[in-house]
Amino acid sequence: GEDVEQSLFLSVREGDSSVINCTYTDSSSTYLYWYKQEPGAGLQLLTYIFSNMDMKQDQRLTVLLNKKDKHLSLRIADTQTGDSAIYFCAEKEPGRRALTFGSGTRLQVQP
Amino acid sequence: NAGVTQTPKFQVLKTGQSMTLQCAQDMNHEYMSWYRQDPGMGLRLIHYSVGAGITDQGEVPNGYNVSRSTTEDFPLRLLSAAPSQTSVYFCASSYSTLAGVGADTQYFGPGTRLTVL
Repeated sequence: GEDVEQSLFLSVREGDSSVINCTYTDSSSTYLYWYKQEPGAGLQLLTYIFSNMDMKQDQRLTVLLNKKDKHLSLRIADTQTGDSAIYFCAEKEPGRRALTFGSGTRLQVQP
Repeated sequence: NAGVTQTPKFQVLKTGQSMTLQCAQDMNHEYMSWYRQDPGMGLRLIHYSVGAGITDQGEVPNGYNVSRSTTEDFPLRLLSAAPSQTSVYFCASSYSTLAGVGADTQYFGPGTRLTVL
């Protein structure tokens, strides 16, 4: 079955770049997603990437996909205290609508 | 648009009690689903629906029932609550014309935090 793994915790200083990593096992995944969850809130879609792309950039966010290694990363440039949250990686298989989520990475931004 | 709404936000039950978690969306989305979130385990799919009158089981369906009588509403029922069902429950919806085609961006509700004593 599919599996998505993430490290549990990342701490950075305000103004630095953050890189959150994710690995997945299903080589047929069509889309890969990054969601952000702030305390007490639901999940907010940040960005997604189609599996035939290597990189996607959206303002301060850069998503890198290494399909050969099944590795996905999210880079946040100029990290701010408002970026403190849990970040979830998720994948979608072809023909399915349900997503498979990682366990989430808690990003702590130190002032 | 209100997006995806969930009620209640918090609930405490005793073992054996039943209750219904409400979920509604006003975006005319075909697909709706329920997830539970437990510490260190990410989100796990409980049940989902691809349209009114159609439901199916997800990864962890035991102890939960769903129905989809309208496009807008997708309630989740706990028939006899157990402590193992203590969790945060999220409802999500998405729109797509063809199943599994496209990014199927899912929109999440704010969650219901359930404690079963």
